[in-house]
Formats: sequence, C-alpha cells, structure tokens
Amino acid sequence: QSALTQPASVSGSPGQSITISCTGTSSDVGGYNYVSWYQQHPGRAPKVMIYDVTNRPSGVSNRFSGSKSGNTASLTISGLQAEDEADYYCSSYTTSSTYVFGIGTKVTVL
Amino acid sequence: QVQLVESGGGLVKPGGFLRLSCEASGFTFSDHYMYWIRQAPGEGLEWISYIGSSGSTKYYADSVKGRFTISRDNAKNSLYLQMNSLRAEDTAVYYCARAGRSGVHFDYWGQGILVTVSS
Repeated sequence: QSALTQPASVSGSPGQSITISCTGTSSDVGGYNYVSWYQQHPGRAPKVMIYDVTNRPSGVSNRFSGSKSGNTASLTISGLQAEDEADYYCSSYTTSSTYVFGIGTKVTVL
Repeated sequence: QVQLVESGGGLVKPGGFLRLSCEASGFTFSDHYMYWIRQAPGEGLEWISYIGSSGSTKYYADSVKGRFTISRDNAKNSLYLQMNSLRAEDTAVYYCARAGRSGVHFDYWGQGILVTVSS
C-alpha cells in the first residue's frame, strides 16, 4: 500500500486560509468516506482534527474543515494562527481493511 | 480522562525481539478497536496493526506481517505488540491509539515509546 500523496510544505500568513491536499486511489480515499486528518507538533503525539472526511471532534477549532472529491481529500485551515504551525497527516481506510497515511505536510505560518 | 501509556521499548539488536505494552484507562477498553502506529525518526506516520474489541479480528501492514503479533487483555485493559525478527528499519517511536466513534480513525494516542534496532 503506497502512502497517500500530500504536498511537502504549505505556508501562509496569519489570518489567511490554506488548503492541504491528500491524493489516493479508488481503493482508499475514493472508496470510502473514512479520511481523517492529524496535527502533530514536534515531539508530541498526533491529534485528530477531522474524521470521516468532514467531521470535527469536540474541542477542535471550527477554523479546520475537511472535504473530498473523487480520490482527493482536502484540509482547509482558515484564519491561520501561529499555533497552527505543525505537521499534518491524512489517513484513509482501504479496501484491504488496512489503513494508509499520507507522507505529511509541514505547515509554516509566515 | 482517556489515557494510553506505552512501555517496553528500548535498544535491541537486529534479529532480536521486544514486547510493547499499552495500558489504557478512563474508558471501557473492551468496547474499542485498538491500533499500533509508528514513526521512524524524522519520517511520517505508518499504520502497522489493529485488533478488534474482542481480539478475534487482527490486521497487519505488509512491512510487519509474519514478524509482529498484536494482542489484548481486556481484563487488564492492555494492548500488546510482540515484535520478532527486528530490523534496523523497525527503529521508530511506536504509538498505541484508540478507535474513534466511527471506528475508522484514531481519536486518542499514547505518548509513544522509542524502539531502536541497532548492533
């Protein structure tokens, strides 16, 4: 199972919106509405930000939103803040009953 | 509150073995699927295994199939990962994680435990 494709890095100024893409295949991203997104700060465990493509866990800012079209899912962070600077990973359930992560995207707040 | 605490990591020689444990608290352990996920130094996340709530369902990533075994003891609120025939490329921080409400995402993670495979 190959890792999902994400841009290596995305940057934006405070207050701007950024979008991170996550591209897979019909066997993972395109096959189910089971894409989730994780934020990881250096030296810390990942934290779920979005699950089942669009759902936000309680306690996660509504500045984070998710969507999907075909084999590509996206995470949008609006009103970018300094604390959003982190690595972000997408994940998808697959037709093999396994999971696959994206390669990760480093978000930099300029 | 939900807590997951991994233990059992350390330095092991290639070909050796280790058993990781993850002690859960703050929720009904037997109600949840559980996962192991790892992260090599400076690299991304890699899902490696999950186990169903009763222990009868188990899946593995190809990279560890036949070498690693996941198990659980619901009476002890504990998850395990038996790692045999370890290779240098198994060096990573290993996280245990809980399945979220929908069952297909990871809603709580442990702090992670480092496994180093080196001679």
